[in-house]
Amino acid sequence: DIVMTQSPDSLAVSLGERATINCKSSQSVLYSSNNKNYLAWYQQKPGQPPHLLIYWASTRESGVPERFSGSGSGTDFTLTISSLQAEDVAVYYCQQYFTTRGTFGQGTKLEIK
Amino acid sequence: QVQLVQSGAEVKKPGASVKVSCKASGYTFTDHYMHWVRQAPGQGLEWMGWIKPNTGDTTYAQKFQGRVTMTRDTSMTTAYMELNRLKSDDTAVYFCARQAPPAPNLIDYWGLGTLVTVSS
Repeated sequence: DIVMTQSPDSLAVSLGERATINCKSSQSVLYSSNNKNYLAWYQQKPGQPPHLLIYWASTRESGVPERFSGSGSGTDFTLTISSLQAEDVAVYYCQQYFTTRGTFGQGTKLEIK
Repeated sequence: QVQLVQSGAEVKKPGASVKVSCKASGYTFTDHYMHWVRQAPGQGLEWMGWIKPNTGDTTYAQKFQGRVTMTRDTSMTTAYMELNRLKSDDTAVYFCARQAPPAPNLIDYWGLGTLVTVSS
């Protein structure tokens, strides 16, 4: 199975500042035939199920604010929140959906500094 | 609108089995894989497997092979996840989650979760 490793495990950022979360996969999740990276980002707030933010590494799900963006290719990916808002406090997970068995990163807890 | 309504919380003894249901509505049940993901208290997300509702085909995470069974009832638009030989570290919230259209393992809608507590 592909192992997904996120960094850092936790992050504190001031309101209005940029937050960056990294995700590394143990093997490439880029499918050469369609040039798509099978990488998604989810946000989970306390007591709630996860919410899909980004898929294909950089495509925002409908309704997701533009301050959320995804980048990267192959094995290294980044989720960026350009200007942190109070409602962005959550745990963020990356997930690869390249293989038959999908796997998640361990999560990154984002807090307000 | 898409809804995934899960069964209520369960308390089980070690060695017992639990079966969690997930009633889907608001979309064509047989058009989307159904995934099961669990989350132990204070921990991250752990993918358990999926079922293709139109065929009943399943794929399970290696960790759960031999201990988990995913089934469905298309007439009831309901998916089920049964976990056997429960251990204390199976205590977790179990989520059902619908496949998003672009890819089998991408997930867009989630149930609210079912807390399963394993305790003697």
